[in-house]
Amino acid sequence: EPEVTQTPSHQVTQMGQEVILRCVPISNHLYFYWYRQILGQKVEFLVSFYNNEISEKSEIFDDQFSVERPDGSNFTLKIRSTKLEDSAMYFCASSVEAGRQNSPLHFGNGTRLTVT
Amino acid sequence: DQQVKQNSPSLSVQEGRISILNCDYTNSMFDYFLWYKKYPAEGPTFLISISSIKDKNEDGRFTVFLNKSAKHLSLHIVPSQPGDSAVYFCAASKVNKLVFGAGTILRVKS
Repeated sequence: EPEVTQTPSHQVTQMGQEVILRCVPISNHLYFYWYRQILGQKVEFLVSFYNNEISEKSEIFDDQFSVERPDGSNFTLKIRSTKLEDSAMYFCASSVEAGRQNSPLHFGNGTRLTVT
Repeated sequence: DQQVKQNSPSLSVQEGRISILNCDYTNSMFDYFLWYKKYPAEGPTFLISISSIKDKNEDGRFTVFLNKSAKHLSLHIVPSQPGDSAVYFCAASKVNKLVFGAGTILRVKS
């Protein structure tokens, strides 16, 4: 079964550094998402992306965050200047359609980001 | 953001018995609801969903019930198997995003 792949599985970075988290969504999917889960807390929506632009973003997704689909397969999340509170598990997801019950989100296994 | 709540942090069930996981929501504008299962070191895996216009959806051992007047949904797993032990997340869909509950850890004892 096709799956969403994320790299790296674990990223350690120093506060203030830039990080790029990478995702390869399922090939025929058109909608892409980033979610995050801080340890012990809920999975939270960050951003959705369709047709090379952001469809919706949460209040967490401030100017330090950006997303890009640089080619036909990758979908990246960049954090420009990391803070300690950015430490979390970041999940990429994709779906064929948006907002349709028969098009659920498929998630990758996540990238654990540790900011020191 | 307390729009989706799972009030039971954990549930322990004997193998072969029924597992019932509960979820409450506050926003009547959600258009459908989903259950995801998550193992350690993996991402959430889609299990089953239900439209806001239905009250029941069944898929094999998994059945989801929706009570719109009570803003409550539940996931029934019967019979429960040890491999079902995982964290179960309830999620609600609003246009382009999912709102997740905090999750319930299910342990199925053999």
